[in-house]
Amino acid sequence: QITLKESGPTLVKPTQTLTLTCTFSGFSLSTSGVGVGWIRQPPGKALEWLALIYWNDDKRYSPSLKSRLTITKDTSKNQVVLTMTNMDPVDTATYYCASVTIFGALNWFDPWGQGTLVTVSS
Amino acid sequence: DIQMTQSPSSLSASVGDRVTITCRASQSISSYLNWYQQKPGKAPKLLIYAASSLQSGVPSRFSGSGSGTDFTLTISSLQPEDFATYYCQQSYSTLLFTFGPGTKVDIK
Repeated sequence: QITLKESGPTLVKPTQTLTLTCTFSGFSLSTSGVGVGWIRQPPGKALEWLALIYWNDDKRYSPSLKSRLTITKDTSKNQVVLTMTNMDPVDTATYYCASVTIFGALNWFDPWGQGTLVTVSS
Repeated sequence: DIQMTQSPSSLSASVGDRVTITCRASQSISSYLNWYQQKPGKAPKLLIYAASSLQSGVPSRFSGSGSGTDFTLTISSLQPEDFATYYCQQSYSTLLFTFGPGTKVDIK
């Protein structure tokens, strides 16, 4: 059974850097064909994909946020870390991590962590 | 960038109704289309991948179809637990995994 859980601060101040950790079990990021992605959802709004890291350390970022994001993995700890710099109140959202299955050229997010609400306010 | 749209943005339906949600891509994405269900306060759940493949454990009343730019999610007989928001998501461009704006299904 695959499970994921996000952890990090619930409140950050504007201009600060957010660091979120996704701790997972049930799979290894050293296994070919897997990845972990981050997706966020502002209150009452739609899902927005942020970043993804594959087993081979290939990294993908949302073009609109690429300059602010860094995604890394620690295979030995079964963790993926997302950092987002220069936080702004518009970045207030629930942040999810999700396992990525790669099948040929197909990718899908399943399952997802429970999410963590991050509020940006002074 | 590939843009995703969904219609309708919301709908009201009764238990037992057949419900159809449409997702359209701004360019052809072949069958690189996934559908998710999200209930209030919960994480999204994968329903359909590759446009028409039912994820393990998902009831057979859910089905997906389409290819190219136009896709459909159908619930053949709406159940009380199906009232939720549904999102499509393209994976044709692995440089930007775009989600649609969502379709909220509520009780009539």
